[in-house]
Amino acid sequence: DAGVIQSPRHEVTEMGQEVTLRCKPISGHDYLFWYRQTMMRGLELLIYFNNNVPIDDSGMPEDRFSAKMPNASFSTLKIQPSEPRDSAVYFCASSFHSSSYEQYFGPGTRLTVT
Amino acid sequence: GENVEQHPSTLSVQEGDSAVIKCTYSDSASNYFPWYKQELGKGPQLIIDIRSNVGEKKDQRIAVTLNKTAKHFSLHITETQPEDSAVYFCAARRRGSTLGRLYFGRGTQLTVWP
Repeated sequence: DAGVIQSPRHEVTEMGQEVTLRCKPISGHDYLFWYRQTMMRGLELLIYFNNNVPIDDSGMPEDRFSAKMPNASFSTLKIQPSEPRDSAVYFCASSFHSSSYEQYFGPGTRLTVT
Repeated sequence: GENVEQHPSTLSVQEGDSAVIKCTYSDSASNYFPWYKQELGKGPQLIIDIRSNVGEKKDQRIAVTLNKTAKHFSLHITETQPEDSAVYFCAARRRGSTLGRLYFGRGTQLTVWP
């Protein structure tokens, strides 16, 4: 299996622009998580889905952030408009419901907003 | 919600020495405690986990101990090697919650000097 796939790996954009991050979870996994990692705040859970349905979005920082999962093999995290404080590494992770709670992380997208 | 504290934030050891990373948690309902390793430029990867019905678990050079009464758990790496250099995260998950919602510590940067 190719693992969790994220694109792009790096994104540099100007303040005010829309940014869309993409994730393809591991085939067969029914949970998908979006995390943000910064030096200041560490690893934060933004939102997670079960069977394509958002379960907990309490970590989404504000209305500028939105996430969708139109099908089991694709999810997006959108920031509109972007701000410099959104600069971070964004990770997508997926998991399969079972006695194992392991989350498999993608390689991340490094976002820089200037 | 759960609060996970992790110490130290940085740790340097000589190759062959042991390394210990400690975490505390606040929610007595937490019952699953994974440890993730994050190498430079990659996403975190599960290396070992422990459930609250077990006090200790070992996998080759790594071991995790759990003290439910004191609400702390530790990662022990013996005979450290340069390839152990990475950021290590502890996490906790609350019993009864839906799968997901791992609460992460802030991470420990481990450096193993040859």
